[in-house]
Amino acid sequence: KNEVEQSPQNLTAQEGEFITINCSYSVGISALHWLQQHPGGGIVSLFMLSSGKKKHGRLIATINIQEKHSSLHITASHPRDSAVYICAGSNSNYQLIWGAGTKLIIKP
Amino acid sequence: KAGVTQTPRYLIKTRGQQVTLSCSPISGHRSVSWYQQTPGQGLQFLFEYFSETQRNKGNFPGRFSGRQFSNSRSEMNVSTLELGDSALYLCASSLVLANYNEQFFGPGTRLTVL
Repeated sequence: KNEVEQSPQNLTAQEGEFITINCSYSVGISALHWLQQHPGGGIVSLFMLSSGKKKHGRLIATINIQEKHSSLHITASHPRDSAVYICAGSNSNYQLIWGAGTKLIIKP
Repeated sequence: KAGVTQTPRYLIKTRGQQVTLSCSPISGHRSVSWYQQTPGQGLQFLFEYFSETQRNKGNFPGRFSGRQFSNSRSEMNVSTLELGDSALYLCASSLVLANYNEQFFGPGTRLTVL
C-alpha cells in the first residue's frame, strides 16, 4: 500500500529559526512533491524531486531514495512562512498520495 | 499566462440539491485534478481528467462526478448534497499527468451545504 507520512503535524518556532519538516514514504513512490497552503486556502507547488536536493530562496528540499525520506527545510524563517506544508508522493499508477500536512507557525 | 480559475468562488446550497463547479486550467495544460478539503482534513483526491478521460479516481461515492471538455476545462458535479459535502473544492492543472508534473492550483470553491 502506498503511504506518505509527515512529521511533525504541528510546528511552532520563533522567527529566524531553521525549520525542518519530514516526509516518509513507502515502496512504490518514485517522486515527491512539496506544496504550501496559506490560511486563505491557496496552494502553491514548491518542489518536485526524485533525487538529490533542490533549493529556491530560503527553501531547500532533499530526498533520500534509499531511506524513502524527504525533508523540507526553511532557513531564516519568517512569520510569512506560516502555512501548511504538504508532501505528496507519485506512484506507478500515475497517482499522487497525499500526506496529512504540517501546520507551521512562525512567531515574530 | 492566466492561472487556474474556478467558478463560483463561494456557493451555498441545501441538502438534496446538486451543484456544478467549474475549473479552467492554465492554457496548454491537459490535466485537471479535483480535491476536497474539509476543516481539519488534508487534501482528499477526487479524480483526475486528462484529454477528456478520467485517468484516476479517489475513494468518493458516485454522487461525485466530473468531466472534461475538449478545451481542457473541467466540471465537477455533486448530486444529492449532504451536510458533510461542505468543503473547499480545489482543482489543479498540469501539463500532462499530475504525478510527474508540477500542479498549479486554483483558488478553490467554498461550498456550504445547509
